[in-house]
Amino acid sequence: AQSVTQPDIHITVSEGASLELRCNYSYGATPYLFWYVQSPGQGLQLLLKYFSGDTLVQGIKGFEAEFKRSQSSFNLRKPSVHWSDAAEYFCAVVLMEYGNKLVFGAGTILRVKS
Amino acid sequence: DAGVIQSPRHEVTEMGQEVTLRCKLISGHNSLFWYRQTMMRGLELLIYFNNNVPIDDSGMPEDRFSAKMPNASFSTLKIQPSEPRDSAVYFCASSLGGVSNQPQHFGDGTRLSIL
Repeated sequence: AQSVTQPDIHITVSEGASLELRCNYSYGATPYLFWYVQSPGQGLQLLLKYFSGDTLVQGIKGFEAEFKRSQSSFNLRKPSVHWSDAAEYFCAVVLMEYGNKLVFGAGTILRVKS
Repeated sequence: DAGVIQSPRHEVTEMGQEVTLRCKLISGHNSLFWYRQTMMRGLELLIYFNNNVPIDDSGMPEDRFSAKMPNASFSTLKIQPSEPRDSAVYFCASSLGGVSNQPQHFGDGTRLSIL
C-alpha cells in the first residue's frame, strides 16, 4: 500500500543551525511529492513540491528538498533555522490513480531553541 | 486572491446536536477535500469532490457524516447527531482537480468540540 513515513516525531534544533527532516515513501511509480508546514491554529501551507526533473527543489522560506529515487526519500532541509520555523511539517505523496488525493505522513514537530 | 475560507473557526456544542461546517473554495478550483485532524490519528481524508461529484468517500467515519457541494464554490460537512469522539480540527482544501501535480490549498480549519 502507498504510504509516507516521517520517522521523527519531534526534532529540536538551535536557532541558526541546519535542519533536515526525513521523509520516505512507498509507491510504485514516480511520485508527486509535497512538503507542507502547519503553524499552531492554522491550516497547512505548501512549502515545495516535486513532480519531475531536477531532483533538488527550492521552496518558500528558504527550504529545499531533494528527491532520491534509490532511497525512496524526499528530505526537507534548511541551512539556518529561524525561531519562526517552529511548526509541524508534513510530507505527502499524491496517489495518481485517485486524481490528486494526498497521503500524508504523521508529521514532524520542529522545536527551535534560542 | 482569497484563500480557502472555512466557517466557523470554532464550534462548541453538546452531543446529539447537528453540526454544519462550511467551506468556500478558491475561485477557479474544482476539487474539494475534507480532512479531519486529531492527535491520535493525524490528518485523515474524509471525502473529496471533483467538479461537484464525490469521488472518494471511503474516509467518512459513518452515516452520521455527510458532505455536499450545492454549487461549484461551496461545500458543507454535516454531522448529525454529533458525538464527543467527533471532536477534532476539520480542514477543507481545494485544488485544480484532474491534474495530479496541482497542490491543495488549505483553509485555517474549524476546531470542533463536542461536549
